Amino acid sequence: KAGVTQTPRYLIKTRGQQVTLSCSPISGHRSVSWYQQTPGQGLQFLFEYFSETQRNKGNFPGRFSGRQFSNSRSEMNVSTLELGDSALYLCASSLGTLPTGELFFGEGSRLTVL
Amino acid sequence: TQLLEQSPQFLSIQEGENLTVYCNSSSVFSSLQWYRQEPGEGPVLLVTVVTGGEVKKLKRLTFQFGDARKDSSLHITAAQPGDTGLYLCAGNFGNEKLTFGTGTRLTIIP
Repeated sequence: KAGVTQTPRYLIKTRGQQVTLSCSPISGHRSVSWYQQTPGQGLQFLFEYFSETQRNKGNFPGRFSGRQFSNSRSEMNVSTLELGDSALYLCASSLGTLPTGELFFGEGSRLTVL
Repeated sequence: TQLLEQSPQFLSIQEGENLTVYCNSSSVFSSLQWYRQEPGEGPVLLVTVVTGGEVKKLKRLTFQFGDARKDSSLHITAAQPGDTGLYLCAGNFGNEKLTFGTGTRLTIIP
């Protein structure tokens, strides 16, 4: 079966702009969680969505937001970009909600903020 | 805030050698997972451990969960170049989140 698909794979933005990243989960998976990965901080949890509802949120400012659609596809948005937002953004889908079950990760969207 | 410390941060060894990497916390895990991430890809689940003292084997990889459920180790026997990657542990501390460690970057030299 098709894996988790993230788009775009790479993007470059400048400070102050906003960005929207998309994640299509594995068919049948209703949970989508998002993570930020940087060399210094590792992989940090952003938020989780299940059945179009945000279940949990990590310790990130309000500039980071997300949503989930009725087909389980999810988007995350970062507004007023800062240099420190440069990172690999990963989404993962699973059949059940966190923390149970296996997470299936996409290949990520690599964001560079100039 | 629960923290997961992984050690070593970097490890480079020759093909055929054995190695062990560690994941430690000051808090008790409800469960712990190990993932491997290869360059340009997302992490892939290797194993989940839930019971203190549990040992699981996956071919040449042996995973152990500490008796007190505050630590875990991953031992690789006869390492191969295909084992190269970033090894991440991810722990659940009884809430609805997974906390990831900062990872061990492993390089196997042919």
